[in-house]
Amino acid sequence: QVQLVQSGSELKKPGASVKVSCKASGYTFTSYAMNWVRQAPGQGLEWMGWINTNTGNPTYAQGFTGRFVFSLDTSVSTAYLQISSLKAEDTAVYYCARGRTMFEFPNAFDIWGQGTMVTVSS
Amino acid sequence: AIRMTQSPSSLSASTGDRVTITCRASQGISSYLAWYQQKPGKAPKLLIYAASTLQSGVPSRFSGSGSGTDFTLTISCLQSEDFATYYCQQYYSYSTFGQGTKLEIK
Repeated sequence: QVQLVQSGSELKKPGASVKVSCKASGYTFTSYAMNWVRQAPGQGLEWMGWINTNTGNPTYAQGFTGRFVFSLDTSVSTAYLQISSLKAEDTAVYYCARGRTMFEFPNAFDIWGQGTMVTVSS
Repeated sequence: AIRMTQSPSSLSASTGDRVTITCRASQGISSYLAWYQQKPGKAPKLLIYAASTLQSGVPSRFSGSGSGTDFTLTISCLQSEDFATYYCQQYYSYSTFGQGTKLEIK
């Protein structure tokens, strides 16, 4: 079945980096945009940006430039989110989410990963 | 950036009730509006896209309406499994979520 499976929880110290993976299965990975969404503890959903899985071109939302990098490994149908110079305020659950329609952006998000909790604490 | 404002922020209701959640966009977004349901510790689930189209597998007691700047999500005859937090999302220009509406049991 169509699914996105993310990597497990991470505990990092301030200043470190983290790389979250999102492995797709059950569909053609390069035909659908991949989005990233952040949810801080007890807070709402925040769209971080998206990556064109056909070209590899990323687009970052305001507030997610500089320390955030989206990347792909199409050979294993996996998208990645890397965050560098981690701060306490980066503590959140990070979700990958597929755009609903092939080759279209923006779009509603029909398939979500289970989420990856990233905790930044000294 | 387009801002999405939901109301109310929280809502208490009983099973069997009909409830309506409102979402307003800071500028016109045509019908590029989706609704999601999120339960604690779980990923959001797409309920409605294009303002009024029910995602496959979603019960028909959920419905959406609106276009331009004002949208509503209606749940007719609330079931116990419907108590959750609901988010609207615009995808007219990039993407933005509303702040969420927590639907609680009265």
